[in-house]
Amino acid sequence: DARVTQTPRHKVTEMGQEVTMRCQPILGHNTVFWYRQTMMQGLELLAYFRNRAPLDDSGMPKDRFSAEMPDATLATLKIQPSEPRDSAVYFCASGAGQGETQYFGPGTRLLVL
Amino acid sequence: AQSVAQPEDQVNVAEGNPLTVKCTYSVSGNPYLFWYVQYPNRGLQFLLKYITGDNLVKGSYGFEAEFNKSQTSFHLKKPSALVSDSALYFCAVRAYNQGGKLIFGQGTELSVKP
Repeated sequence: DARVTQTPRHKVTEMGQEVTMRCQPILGHNTVFWYRQTMMQGLELLAYFRNRAPLDDSGMPKDRFSAEMPDATLATLKIQPSEPRDSAVYFCASGAGQGETQYFGPGTRLLVL
Repeated sequence: AQSVAQPEDQVNVAEGNPLTVKCTYSVSGNPYLFWYVQYPNRGLQFLLKYITGDNLVKGSYGFEAEFNKSQTSFHLKKPSALVSDSALYFCAVRAYNQGGKLIFGQGTELSVKP
């Protein structure tokens, strides 16, 4: 049963620390999405990639967030330095093309103190 | 502007009754429409999608959705609700010419009471 995996599942850190979240897309999927979910803002798209190239990262605060795909099996989202307002659940999703379904990972629950 | 609206923040249904979760959309080009469900502390799970063909789409867990082009709607339905259907439901539409990006609604909390 192919699934998107995300690590860590939970992260508690202090303000100013670097946070790295990892995602392994479903094998064969060439599109990867990063979302953030909060009670106030709902589900927000941060960035997405196709064939490892960034297509759009306009949803990301550029000064502190960065997203990369070092290879086809790994996507990373980094926050440096982290702030309390970054506390949220971060989801990764992958898909196999423009019209294809996005499949979501279980999320990383981040708490910045 | 491309958008998705879920007009109800919450829907309450008695177990065994039919349920409807509403969704309307605005998008350029032919719409690709999706429904996802999110259970507490879980990721979003795909329920069903409409791309083309029959306006009534059947999906997981007995859910179905009806595409109505004239009303630009894609309402989610189930003939007989279960308590276990209680969750957060998201409607989404593929943004036109943006590499597979989905535009999500704000979500509707479905509560099914015994």
